[in-house]
Amino acid sequence: GAVVSQHPSWVICKSGTSVKIECRSLDFQATTMFWYRQFPKQSLMLMATSNEGSKATYEQGVEKDKFLINHASLTLSTLTVTSAHPEDSSFYICSARDPRGQDTQYFGPGTRLTVL
Amino acid sequence: AQTVTQSQPEMSVQEAETVTLSCTYDTSESDYYLFWYKQPPSRQMILVIRQEAYKQQNATENRFSVNFQKAAKSFSLKISDSQLGDAAMYFCAYVNQKLVFGQGTRLTINP
Repeated sequence: GAVVSQHPSWVICKSGTSVKIECRSLDFQATTMFWYRQFPKQSLMLMATSNEGSKATYEQGVEKDKFLINHASLTLSTLTVTSAHPEDSSFYICSARDPRGQDTQYFGPGTRLTVL
Repeated sequence: AQTVTQSQPEMSVQEAETVTLSCTYDTSESDYYLFWYKQPPSRQMILVIRQEAYKQQNATENRFSVNFQKAAKSFSLKISDSQLGDAAMYFCAYVNQKLVFGQGTRLTINP
């Protein structure tokens, strides 16, 4: 299957700082990428859909000023958690839709964010 | 709105035995895809199997197969000859533009 990388795999930051997470599709071009959040022992919750060259579409209840998404190229989407607080601590996962693959999404390995 | 339901929070099976994980979904669409993803302790989401709704034939990938009942909106996953490496959370998912996940089933393999 297609490969998606995510960086960093884990990050610890102080409250009030911003953190950027990168998601890259390594062997295909992804016009659409997705960002999810996963709490312990729960399913994935879609935060936003990232479209190359246009604004991201956020799910209801997700603060767009808090979670900034940029999809500057066909292989890279970034999620910036601005002014992070302890309640933002979570596991963030990105995925990329492979246009060759019948709507199949391939996932990055995830980023564990801890805000102190 | 589309919903996906996995009614079994936990399942266990003896190594080498067969286990079936249940999934139902609700949609008014006629053309869509269904997936099973596996999330081992590493938390990497891994695609297990994919089914296209317009195909009547059930998808198969080695030891993994599905029982797709479109009219009943049911999409179960059968794992044959269970192996220790199959232990993971399994998520059923529906897609029409974006993925909708079920709550997950934690599968334990007993040696």
